[in-house]
Amino acid sequence: DVKVTQSSRYLVKRTGEKVFLECVQDMDHENMFWYRQDPGLGLRLIYFSYDVKMKEKGDIPEGYSVSREKKERFSLILESASTNQTSMYLCASSPGQSKTQYFGPGTRLLVL
Amino acid sequence: GDSVTQMEGPVTLSEEAFLTINCTYTATGYPSLFWYVQYPGEGLQLLLKATKADDKGSNKGFEATYRNETTSFHLEKGSVQVSDSAVYFCALSLYNNDMRFGAGTRLTVKP
Repeated sequence: DVKVTQSSRYLVKRTGEKVFLECVQDMDHENMFWYRQDPGLGLRLIYFSYDVKMKEKGDIPEGYSVSREKKERFSLILESASTNQTSMYLCASSPGQSKTQYFGPGTRLLVL
Repeated sequence: GDSVTQMEGPVTLSEEAFLTINCTYTATGYPSLFWYVQYPGEGLQLLLKATKADDKGSNKGFEATYRNETTSFHLEKGSVQVSDSAVYFCALSLYNNDMRFGAGTRLTVKP
């Protein structure tokens, strides 16, 4: 089975803090994704990566950056957290030529 | 642009009732279509998918048929259980790195 893990299930941070969300997948997938999920808005893509050190902006990249130094790990960084970044963050991965994405359990982030 | 519209919730049913969650899509080509399910406190799990017109995806008693003529991919189950209570997301993908999700439909099944 594909396994995607995220470093924290719940996280509480203060405004202005730098926040790191980590995601690891164990199936050697080329593609990895970060989404945020908000009520009534579904999932919105923040960034994705199709290879090590490669990244592409999604629909809402402002206020976020990403890092992919190893194939299995994709990090989302909030350089200076703000209250409007309080959300559920979901990581996903997919094989290179497949459209099917596999999701981690999510990190619920609260920024105070 | 490419998008998915699914019926607004919440949907509340009694156990053993018939379930339909409507999903329609707009796409410039021929997308793959998906239903994902999110149980409370968890991430999304792939429930079923269909990759071309007239394909039927099925899993755990759920079914959905890719209808190109009506641009729809409605989710159905003949007899729901309390354990089916979750949020259901319809999604489409035209390209490998681009998936568009609907807003989600919350289903509550009461005993």
